Amino acid sequence: EAGVAQSPRYKIIEKRQSVAFWCNPISGHATLYWYQQILGQGPKLLIQFQNNGVVDDSQLPKDRFSAERLKGVDSTLKIQPAKLEDSAVYLCASSLDRSWTGPYEQYFGPGTRLTVT
Amino acid sequence: GQQVMQIPQYQHVQEGEDFTTYCNSSTTLSNIQWYKQRPGGHPVFLIQLVKSGEVKKQKRLTFQFGEAKKNSSLHITATQTTDVGTYFCAGKTSGTYKYIFGTGTRLKVLA
Repeated sequence: EAGVAQSPRYKIIEKRQSVAFWCNPISGHATLYWYQQILGQGPKLLIQFQNNGVVDDSQLPKDRFSAERLKGVDSTLKIQPAKLEDSAVYLCASSLDRSWTGPYEQYFGPGTRLTVT
Repeated sequence: GQQVMQIPQYQHVQEGEDFTTYCNSSTTLSNIQWYKQRPGGHPVFLIQLVKSGEVKKQKRLTFQFGEAKKNSSLHITATQTTDVGTYFCAGKTSGTYKYIFGTGTRLKVLA
């Protein structure tokens, strides 16, 4: 079974530039998560989709971050414009969870390491 | 808001010694998951606990969910160098969708 795919793996940008990350979850997984992990800290949920609907985006800085999940499969996370404090690893995860079943474990992708200079 | 704390933050042990990390939530949880993250890697699922007082074992690892469902622990017996990494708990409150990850415990095992 293929795992969660993410690209790019690394990205270096200057502050005020834009960046986008892509995630392809495990086939059949209804729930998709985007986490931000700053060095030395636990993952912090940015946004959670169930199929193509948003179920939680309470910690997403909506003035600069946006995310979409088209057709309930792939997802993209965008930052525009980036700030120095956005330097982190952005992790995508997926799980089988649906509104009537669960809870299930989360499968994480390898992450994208973003450096903002 | 909901907070999940873990102690200790760091632990260095000699190979063969035991290790325990504790996870405490400010709110009652519906379930808790444990993950291991190797240096430079991504979190990998270890176990999920759902019932009050539940205890689960995986070889040398023992996981426990508190009676009040506000705390949990992970105990490793006779640590090995392959146990090196950061252990995170992640708890979900009933009626919510998201998991709150703990602050993590970084384990180093000295051979």
